[in-house]
Amino acid sequence: SQQGEEDPQALSIQEGENATMNCSYKTSINNLQWYRQNSGRGLVHLILIRSNEREKHSGRLRVTLDTSKKSSSLLITASRAADTASYFCATDSLKLVFGKGTKLTVNP
Amino acid sequence: DVKVTQSSRYLVKRTGEKVFLECVQDMDHENMFWYRQDPGLGLRLIYFSYDVKMKEKGDIPEGYSVSREKKERFSLILESASTNQTSMYLCASSSVSGRVYEQYFGPGTRLTVT
Repeated sequence: SQQGEEDPQALSIQEGENATMNCSYKTSINNLQWYRQNSGRGLVHLILIRSNEREKHSGRLRVTLDTSKKSSSLLITASRAADTASYFCATDSLKLVFGKGTKLTVNP
Repeated sequence: DVKVTQSSRYLVKRTGEKVFLECVQDMDHENMFWYRQDPGLGLRLIYFSYDVKMKEKGDIPEGYSVSREKKERFSLILESASTNQTSMYLCASSSVSGRVYEQYFGPGTRLTVT
């Protein structure tokens, strides 16, 4: 299956720092999505990047996609305590396949 | 905004009971999904439906069934609950139009089977 795998599994930073999370996948994709999950809650869609795009921005989020390496990264700039959450990548198709997530902790 | 609601946030059931988890979405989405989420295993797809009365097995359908009699409602059924079905259950919906395959999630139901 086209499973995304996030790296690192956990990341702890100070408020104001940038956070970078990576995602690798196994097969060709049409698009890749990033989701956020606050503790004990449902997932929230953050951003979608298509296979013909290399970089996309949304507010403090920057996503890159390297289809030759089958990898994507999510950068959160100027992190805030409210960014503390788990972040998941999911590869395309009707039936999304999620990785296990990166747990980000932003310390005030 | 899309709203996906789940019938319960927390549920405690006994082994052998029949359990119904209900999910309702209000955006006329064609596709609906049930996942379970367990520590260290991430999200795993149980079943999904791309139309009323249509269903497809996901990666871990054993021990579960689903029902979609109306477009807005997708039910997950545990015919005979077992302790290994203790988990967080997440419902999601998506549309084939607009944002391609972006899924909208409900808040989750934390089920404990004792």
